[in-house]
Amino acid sequence: TQLLEQSPQFLSIQEGENLTVYCNSSSVFSSLQWYRQEPGEGPVLLVTVVTGGEVKKLKRLTFQFGDARKDSSLHITAAQPGDTGLYLCAAPRMGNSGGSNYKLTFGKGTLLTVNP
Amino acid sequence: DTEVTQTPKHLVMGMTNKKSLKCEQHMGHRAMYWYKQKAKKPPELMFVYSYEKLSINESVPSRFSPECPNSSLLNLHLHALQPEDSALYLCASSLRTSGRDNFDTQYFGPGTRLTVL
Repeated sequence: TQLLEQSPQFLSIQEGENLTVYCNSSSVFSSLQWYRQEPGEGPVLLVTVVTGGEVKKLKRLTFQFGDARKDSSLHITAAQPGDTGLYLCAAPRMGNSGGSNYKLTFGKGTLLTVNP
Repeated sequence: DTEVTQTPKHLVMGMTNKKSLKCEQHMGHRAMYWYKQKAKKPPELMFVYSYEKLSINESVPSRFSPECPNSSLLNLHLHALQPEDSALYLCASSLRTSGRDNFDTQYFGPGTRLTVL
């Protein structure tokens, strides 16, 4: 069973603070995605990481994929109220060759609240 | 353009009603998905269509019936639902690359908020 453990589950911070969300597994993944979801909306893709040790930056968001491709982190600098939402990490399950049974494994999510 | 559209945005139905959810994408993606999501939980996969054929049914009750009329459209027909079926229903699509690496990012629509009375 391939599980993605996300932490923390809930996070409430003040505007301007920094934070890090973690996504860990004992399994190796070929890639990993981070999504942000606002209430009542669908998940919006933030980034896909593919290479072990990869670091990607998206404005104030920094994403890192572990060297062994088993874990990832999302760091937000100077959080703003607009960053509030559910952050989900997801990775493809390793199925049959050719991906004929392609499925995503999701973490349980981190619900972030940034207070003004 | 990475847009997946869903209609309606909100739907309220009784347990005896028949309704349909619609999903559309024009990105040339050949895999389309239906997910169910409860509040503050991750999405749960229901169905996957690959090249317009049903590839995965995650043991979903028969009161949910998917349909893929063509490569751009995906429907979910609803009949005799229960109040516990109330949730956000998400459609997603992906390019459906071949090969072993499964690097196939899914793009989600905004969802349909379904309430069953």
